[in-house]
Amino acid sequence: GIQVEQSPPDLILQEGANSTLRCNFSDSVNNLQWFHQNPWGQLINLFYIPSGTKQNGRLSATTVATERYSLLYISSSQTTDSGVYFCAVVPRAGNNRKLIWGLGTSLAVNP
Amino acid sequence: GAVVSQHPSWVICKSGTSVKIECRSLDFQATTMFWYRQFPKQSLMLMATSNEGSKATYEQGVEKDKFLINHASLTLSTLTVTSAHPEDSSFYICSAPIGTWVSDTQYFGPGTRLTVL
Repeated sequence: GIQVEQSPPDLILQEGANSTLRCNFSDSVNNLQWFHQNPWGQLINLFYIPSGTKQNGRLSATTVATERYSLLYISSSQTTDSGVYFCAVVPRAGNNRKLIWGLGTSLAVNP
Repeated sequence: GAVVSQHPSWVICKSGTSVKIECRSLDFQATTMFWYRQFPKQSLMLMATSNEGSKATYEQGVEKDKFLINHASLTLSTLTVTSAHPEDSSFYICSAPIGTWVSDTQYFGPGTRLTVL
């Protein structure tokens, strides 16, 4: 089945710094989403981005479907950005809506 | 925006008892909902797909008699952990998709932390 790999696994930043998180996937996808899981466990949908570029405030994401990767950019990081960022995909080969998850990038933003 | 609620937020129970977790889509209808399990510092593991009006579809290795799922209406799915044991302790999360098939966006409940003593 499809493999979803995220890097780096862990990241520590000072408040105000910028960062780039990467998601590589091993096969074609119909759907790619980025999620943020806060320290209390709530998952928030950040982007639905199977291809192209989107921006939402300090966050932006780019997916290059032909090269099978997606990037999540966090600019001017804040302590509230701390948590785990997950990339999840729906493979094109599958016949369902089930998301296949990466292992996540754990981000800690220090004041 | 789309809101999914879960109840309870946390529950502590004795070994051998059953626990029911509710997942509701508050401002949209969901014919499909997903149930996940998450262990500390790990990714989400899909347990089953809940389908309104029909039986749930369980992932390989998930005991359907252990984790009973009922999708009673277009806004409510329940997960019952029957005869819970300490190894069932985990963080359980539900989600509901909005959009067209395969191109939808999933919205998640806040999760239920289950501790079995």
